[in-house]
Amino acid sequence: TQLLEQSPQFLSIQEGENLTVYCNSSSVFSSLQWYRQEPGEGPVLLVTVVTGGEVKKLKRLTFQFGDARKDSSLHITAAQTGDTGLYLCAGEAGGSYIPTFGRGTSLIVHP
Amino acid sequence: DAGITQSPRYKITETGRQVTLMCHQTWSHSYMFWYRQDLGHGLRLIYYSAAADITDKGEVPDGYVVSRSKTENFPLTLESATRSQTSVYFCASRGGRNEQFFGPGTRLTVL
Repeated sequence: TQLLEQSPQFLSIQEGENLTVYCNSSSVFSSLQWYRQEPGEGPVLLVTVVTGGEVKKLKRLTFQFGDARKDSSLHITAAQTGDTGLYLCAGEAGGSYIPTFGRGTSLIVHP
Repeated sequence: DAGITQSPRYKITETGRQVTLMCHQTWSHSYMFWYRQDLGHGLRLIYYSAAADITDKGEVPDGYVVSRSKTENFPLTLESATRSQTSVYFCASRGGRNEQFFGPGTRLTVL
């Protein structure tokens, strides 16, 4: 059973479109992270959300942590080809120091 | 340079051989992790370490051995490599806000 469910698994869009990626769980997380991974590289941290209901913006990326701290979303406005990559959410549930990762959303942005 | 490094970046070996993947971090983070990443499975935790001389199994530990004699190093050894261990291996360390900092990865092929 996957503790963190990400959707969609794949996304192929045109440059300029908006998109949202979801990360859902039945568990409560003390914090949740979003990473982006480009081919041939390791995942790179984009943001950490800690407080229920928190919204963080990183240029065209908007991250939201659910009120109950069980889910999160990543919204990209006016996607660019440079946004192409694998987006992963991760969190530590139940006071554990061991993170759980979602399986990722593979995003391709076409010019 | 500060950060987390892995070596080698690429490795080809034969079934039955012993292989050691190296990981070094300069932040003095307590927690370190080894993951493997395969299509369809996402990131899977192999082993982790909470501090020097403290290690524990993750989700897929069989066939792997780790040690951590110094805080900054966390090598992963495949005692007798098998084809099913062909994968991309990532080392990571945990920062103060639960975030993971990943190395660039080692792409291992077992023939």
